[in-house]
Amino acid sequence: EAGVAQSPRYKIIEKRQSVAFWCNPISGHATLYWYQQILGQGPKLLIQFQNNGVVDDSQLPKDRFSAERLKGVDSTLKIQPAKLEDSAVYLCASTSAGGSQETQYFGPGTRLLVL
Amino acid sequence: GDSVTQMEGPVTLSEEAFLTINCTYTATGYPSLFWYVQYPGEGLQLLLKATKADDKGSNKGFEATYRKETTSFHLEKGSVQVSDSAVYFCALLTGANNLFFGTGTRLTVIP
Repeated sequence: EAGVAQSPRYKIIEKRQSVAFWCNPISGHATLYWYQQILGQGPKLLIQFQNNGVVDDSQLPKDRFSAERLKGVDSTLKIQPAKLEDSAVYLCASTSAGGSQETQYFGPGTRLLVL
Repeated sequence: GDSVTQMEGPVTLSEEAFLTINCTYTATGYPSLFWYVQYPGEGLQLLLKATKADDKGSNKGFEATYRKETTSFHLEKGSVQVSDSAVYFCALLTGANNLFFGTGTRLTVIP
C-alpha cells in the first residue's frame, strides 16, 4: 500500500513570495490533515478535512494560509505571502475515517525555508 | 486545554542501556495516547498506542502504559540499539480527532 505522498520535499523562497504544497493521501482515506512542525517543536495541526469539507481550521492563519481539497482526494496548502516565521516542515497525514482510535499516517513532509 | 509535556532531550545512551522517556498529558475526557518516532530523514511513524486506561502499547521492544491516575504514558525499552536513534514524540488524540504532540525527545544511541 502506497503511503502519503507530498511534494516538493524542499522549498526555499524569499519572504513575501507565495508557495504551495501538495499532498496525496493513502488511497481511500477520507480524512486529511496538514501540520506545521517548527524546528525543535512537535507538529501542530493547521487544518483537518473530511472528504472535501473542512472539519477544523481553527489554528490556520487565514490571513496568509489557505488549503483546499476540492475532489476529496489530493490537497494543496498555500502560503501567500510568506513570512520568515513560516520556515518549518509541513506534514500531511491521513486516516481512513477519522475515528477516535484511528492512526494517522504521515507523509515525509515539505521542508520550507523562508529567507 | 489539551496538552502533552515530554521529557526534554537530547538523550544519549550506550547500546543495550535501559531507556525511559517521560510523557504526561492534560486532557478533558478520555484521549487515546500515542508514541510516534521520526528516524533521520524520514517521516513520522506510529510506534505504539493505547486507547484506554491501563492499556499497554508495545512494538519493536518499546512499551508504554496508559496511566490515568498519573496522567502519564512513559516510553520504555529494556535494551536500546544504535538503530533506535531517532526523535520520539508523545501525542494525544482528543475526541475531536485532533492530535496534540509533545516537543519531541532526540535519542542518540552510541555503540
